[in-house]
Amino acid sequence: EPEVTQTPSHQVTQMGQEVILRCVPISNHLYFYWYRQILGQKVEFLVSFYNNEISEKSEIFDDQFSVERPDGSNFTLKIRSTKLEDSAMYFCASRGTVTTNEKLFFGSGTQLSVL
Amino acid sequence: QKEVEQDPGPLSVPEGAIVSLNCTYSNSAFQYFMWYRQYSRKGPELLMYTYSSGNKEDGRFTAQVDKSSKYISLFIRDSQPSDSATYLCAQASGGSYIPTFGRGTSLIVHP
Repeated sequence: EPEVTQTPSHQVTQMGQEVILRCVPISNHLYFYWYRQILGQKVEFLVSFYNNEISEKSEIFDDQFSVERPDGSNFTLKIRSTKLEDSAMYFCASRGTVTTNEKLFFGSGTQLSVL
Repeated sequence: QKEVEQDPGPLSVPEGAIVSLNCTYSNSAFQYFMWYRQYSRKGPELLMYTYSSGNKEDGRFTAQVDKSSKYISLFIRDSQPSDSATYLCAQASGGSYIPTFGRGTSLIVHP
């Protein structure tokens, strides 16, 4: 079965540094998402992306965050100046063919540790 | 308000037991209900979804929605050790399909 691929699986960074988390959504999918999960807490929606623009975002997704689909296959989440509280598992997801319209497919996540 | 609430557990049952997982929601505007399963160190995986009140069955799994009481349930028959995971309920609007997740209930099925 096709899958969403995320790299790296674990990223360690210093507070204040920029990080880019990378995702390869399922080919032919049209809608792309980032979620995060702080240890022991809910999986929280960050942003959705469709037709090369943000379609919806949560309160968490402030000016420190940005997303990009640079080359038609990758989908990235950038955090400009990381804070300790950005430490979390970040999940990428995609959906969007006629037959699987409602189903989001999630990747295995990138564990971000901010020191 | 977009809250979905679940008891985090853990819920521990013997193999073969019938498992009942429950969830409440507050936003009546969201008409699309889902159950996801999440194994350790993995992303959520959609198990079942439904738009309507009543029951929906898929193999050993039955999802139940009661819109009058804003209550969502997932029943697992003949539970297996491989069912051990965290089960997340979620709801979404029919337009965006963006799930709002509950905290998840940890299920342990022991042999």
